[in-house]
Amino acid sequence: EAGVVQSPRYKIIEKKQPVAFWCNPISGHNTLYWYLQNLGQGPELLIRYENEEAVDDSQLPKDRFSAERLKGVDSTLKIQPAELGDSAVYLCASSQYPAGLGGELFFGEGSRLTVL
Amino acid sequence: AQSVTQLDSQVPVFEEAPVELRCNYSSSVSVYLFWYVQYPNQGLQLLLKYLSGSTLVKGINGFEAEFNKSQTSFHLRKPSVHISDTAEYFCAVSDRGSSASKIIFGSGTRLSIRP
Repeated sequence: EAGVVQSPRYKIIEKKQPVAFWCNPISGHNTLYWYLQNLGQGPELLIRYENEEAVDDSQLPKDRFSAERLKGVDSTLKIQPAELGDSAVYLCASSQYPAGLGGELFFGEGSRLTVL
Repeated sequence: AQSVTQLDSQVPVFEEAPVELRCNYSSSVSVYLFWYVQYPNQGLQLLLKYLSGSTLVKGINGFEAEFNKSQTSFHLRKPSVHISDTAEYFCAVSDRGSSASKIIFGSGTRLSIRP
């Protein structure tokens, strides 16, 4: 069974440029998460989807970040414009069950963003 | 609100020695608990999880953890580590039974194994 697939693995851009990250979750996993991981820290939730609906986006900086999950499968996370402080690893994860039912997360390898 | 505290940011240990990585959590309700491992330049993968039942949970690669409700702890242990265990380890918690529940991660413990 294929795992969570993310692309690109690495991205280097100049500040004020846009960037987008793509995630394909495990087939049949209705819950999808985007996490931000800064160097030496644990993942921090940006947004959680149940099917197509963003059920928790309270930590997403909506002035520059946006996300979508069309048809309840693939998801895209966009930053426009990027700032120096956005340099981090962006992790996508999916689960078969919601966290409140004990659903464990399956992570992709992450997209490492460097903003110059 | 939930929170997770990993008391040690780094733990150096000699190969074949035992190790314990500490994790404490806080929550106003019952919880599910997880340990994830992250090898260099990779995503996180599940080591083990506590959902219910026995408080001693066994995971992959010889790791185990014990849920202690009175101490609000979920420490990870391995009796004899190998070089291949070098990685970052994250403790995580989610509230049981809530539709709004999310998985909160600790800041991680870097385990370095010395030959």
